[in-house]
Amino acid sequence: KAGVTQTPRYLIKTRGQQVTLSCSPISGHRSVSWYQQTPGQGLQFLFEYFSETQRNKGNFPGRFSGRQFSNSRSEMNVSTLELGDSALYLCASSLAPSGGNEQFFGPGTRLTVL
Amino acid sequence: GIQVEQSPPDLILQEGANSTLRCNFSDSVNNLQWFHQNPWGQLINLFYIPSGTKQNGRLSATTVATERYSLLYISSSQTTDSGVYFCAVSYGNKLVFGAGTILRVKS
Repeated sequence: KAGVTQTPRYLIKTRGQQVTLSCSPISGHRSVSWYQQTPGQGLQFLFEYFSETQRNKGNFPGRFSGRQFSNSRSEMNVSTLELGDSALYLCASSLAPSGGNEQFFGPGTRLTVL
Repeated sequence: GIQVEQSPPDLILQEGANSTLRCNFSDSVNNLQWFHQNPWGQLINLFYIPSGTKQNGRLSATTVATERYSLLYISSSQTTDSGVYFCAVSYGNKLVFGAGTILRVKS
């Protein structure tokens, strides 16, 4: 069974631009969560989607948004990029809403903002 | 919110040595997972262990939920075990991660 896939793997943007990242969960998994990893803040939860609905959101500004499609694929969007948005963005999938269910992570998208 | 603390923050071992990594958490949790982050950044699932003990080859893990801690044991370490080990607890419909333990295994 294929794992979680994320595209693109690497991305370079400039301040003020916007970016869209994509995540395809493991086949049959309906929950997708997004996390940001930075050296200073570690791994932090962004949001979770299940059945095309956002179930939970972390403490991030409104510039960070996401959505989920009927095939469970998810995208996250960051608008008006700031230097501090440079990070590794990881998505995770699970069979059902993540509370208590095992989560499996993709390889990540490494975003650099110049 | 919940606090997740991992110790030690850094660990250097000689190949063949054993080690124990610890994860303490400050509140009751639905679940706990251990991950190994590879050099390319991907989190590799090691254990999904809300309670009890599990073993997978040279690795084993024990979670004592009532005392709010988990231990990851690595026996006969190899250079390929190097990397960052994270524990994460399931709390409020999300995973909350510890800061990680950086393990370096020298040959």
